[in-house]
Amino acid sequence: QSALTQPASVSGSPGQSITISCTGTSSYVGGYNYVSWYQQHPGKAPKLMIYNVNNRPSGVSNRFSGSKSGNMASLTISGLQAEDEADYYCSSYTSSSTIYVFGTGTKVTVV
Amino acid sequence: QVQLQESGPGLVKPSETLSLTCTVSGGSVSSGSYYWSWIRQPPGKGLEWIGYIYNSGSTNSNPALKSRVTISVDTSKNQFSLKLSSVTAADTAIYYCARAPRYCSGGSCYELDDWGQGTLVTVSS
Repeated sequence: QSALTQPASVSGSPGQSITISCTGTSSYVGGYNYVSWYQQHPGKAPKLMIYNVNNRPSGVSNRFSGSKSGNMASLTISGLQAEDEADYYCSSYTSSSTIYVFGTGTKVTVV
Repeated sequence: QVQLQESGPGLVKPSETLSLTCTVSGGSVSSGSYYWSWIRQPPGKGLEWIGYIYNSGSTNSNPALKSRVTISVDTSKNQFSLKLSSVTAADTAIYYCARAPRYCSGGSCYELDDWGQGTLVTVSS
């Protein structure tokens, strides 16, 4: 299966909002609401930030939000902070083939 | 809060079999409510899902790796394991174990909600 497509990099200034896109197909992302987002700081394991399109786990800042339209999911970070500088990956689980697919990853830089 | 910890050799020779174990604490690998998963990340690259095990023996894996992947569970040690055969330099990566709920409850299902810290495996002679 092909990876989901994300922009290689997105940057923003402190306090601004940025959005990361995750483009899939009707088989991955479009037909299912099992899209999640992960944050990964250098040398660290990925951390779940958003699940099932727009749900935040306990302890994750409400500055992180998710959405989906058609075959594209998005992660928005509002009130950008220096600590948000990291790599972000989307992922889709498909209940038909019961496999996971990850996005290509986006490096977020706070300038 | 469940905790996962990967362990295994950090260096494997080409054509040999990579073997890793994930030790689970604060949860049970016997639980049919979760997928116990393996994911890997080549240095400087993105994440790749390898496969998972559930119900103490049912498995599913990435079609691209399926012929080389074996995932098993040891309920007596509360561990699950990964074997990847016929490795090449392309299998050099950080290998993570993780857990995901199998059933939807309160909007939560299938997300990889807990991860181990990862272990680097290098394939080299």
